[in-house]
Amino acid sequence: SAVISQKPSRDICQRGTSLTIQCQVDSQVTMMFWYRQQPGQSLTLIATANQGSEATYESGFVIDKFPISRPNLTFSTLTVSNMSPEDSSIYLCSVEENSGNTIYFGEGSWLTVV
Amino acid sequence: GENVEQHPSTLSVQEGDSAVIKCTYSDSASNYFPWYKQELGKRPQLIIDIRSNVGEKKDQRIAVTLNKTAKHFSLHITETQPEDSAVYFCAATPMAAGNKLTFGGGTRVLVKP
Repeated sequence: SAVISQKPSRDICQRGTSLTIQCQVDSQVTMMFWYRQQPGQSLTLIATANQGSEATYESGFVIDKFPISRPNLTFSTLTVSNMSPEDSSIYLCSVEENSGNTIYFGEGSWLTVV
Repeated sequence: GENVEQHPSTLSVQEGDSAVIKCTYSDSASNYFPWYKQELGKRPQLIIDIRSNVGEKKDQRIAVTLNKTAKHFSLHITETQPEDSAVYFCAATPMAAGNKLTFGGGTRVLVKP
């Protein structure tokens, strides 16, 4: 399976600041996604990161709060803007492997907002 | 859109016993059903998946069954071991929708030695 690396792995952020999470894949993939997992909860899709165009956001998520970039087929970033304690979550990058249509997750970025 | 419900939310079993987790989904177009295991502090790891053209799939001690008519699928873990303790998530997606997974609420499994 593809190797998916995320940075940072963990961070403590001040209220009102923004943080950008990076996702790097070791092979080209067509589909990349960003999920959020709030403490003790399930995973919720934030958006699909589209290469060369604007991301497709799910209901309840907006570009101003979660801007996403996808400059090529191996890299994407998610920014969490103007953070509040409610944004404390695990943010997970996921990819669909081009062969087999299987979906894998990156290591996750554990964010705590204080 | 798709809605996935997962039961039970917690499951405690004795080591060596079997564990069964059940999920139902709402979108009849869904045709890919993966299961993920998430250990404390770690990412979700794909443990098994099933596609709609098969009814059952097995991999060593884990198996998944799918009933498309009833729109439910289940994870079976036999001969449970303490290392099976984790949170398990089911998910569903219509492959044509770009594989956007909809997840169930998760089942916390505790295997008691």
